Amino acid sequence: SSELTQDPAVSVALGQTVRITCQGDSLRSYYASWYQQKPGQAPVLVIYGKNNRPSGIPDRFSGSSSGNTASLTITGAQAEDEADYYCNSRDSSGNHPWVFGGGTKLTVL
Amino acid sequence: EVQLVESGGGLVQPGGSLRLSCAASGFTFSSYWMSWVRQAPGKGLEWVANIKQDGSEKYYVDSVKGRFTISRDNAKNSLYLQMNSLRAEDTAVYYCARDLIAAAGERFDPWGQGTLVTVSS
Repeated sequence: SSELTQDPAVSVALGQTVRITCQGDSLRSYYASWYQQKPGQAPVLVIYGKNNRPSGIPDRFSGSSSGNTASLTITGAQAEDEADYYCNSRDSSGNHPWVFGGGTKLTVL
Repeated sequence: EVQLVESGGGLVQPGGSLRLSCAASGFTFSSYWMSWVRQAPGKGLEWVANIKQDGSEKYYVDSVKGRFTISRDNAKNSLYLQMNSLRAEDTAVYYCARDLIAAAGERFDPWGQGTLVTVSS
């Protein structure tokens, strides 16, 4: 089945900008969606489509895509942004409807 | 408020069965595909299964095919996951989520709070 690859861990200084990436063949055909998950909590959608934020998600979160890579950018990272981030897309291989990336642990220093 | 609430998790022995439920509210349940997604302890998210609005199409991750069955009752606004022949590797928090397939972008939103399934003797 198709796979989405993420860096396991990324760190950013408080107030700085960080980019979290997601690579996979499916991203040539479908947009990625991004989820934030804090310890003991359910995932929360933060970005979907070309660059759409659900209601209540701060505008420091943005998304972009190029070729087989999707990116989630946090501009001016805050302490509360420390979390695991997962990308997700439809699976273009046809084996399964959906595929997730392995997740990126974001640490805000 | 759009909401999903799972129930039915617990401790079960290897080879046993369990049925998870997900109660939906705040939206027209019968208009949406629905999914189950799981997360093993300390691991990432894994899509498990989904079901079409009328139940006529169902898809599963390979590791649960033949053991798990997804179903829904639109009259009760409820989603189910019947899990048979459970294995230790099925131990996870199981989330139900609404599939949103739209021109603006496909995504899961919202998610339930999850229910823990532990397979152990």
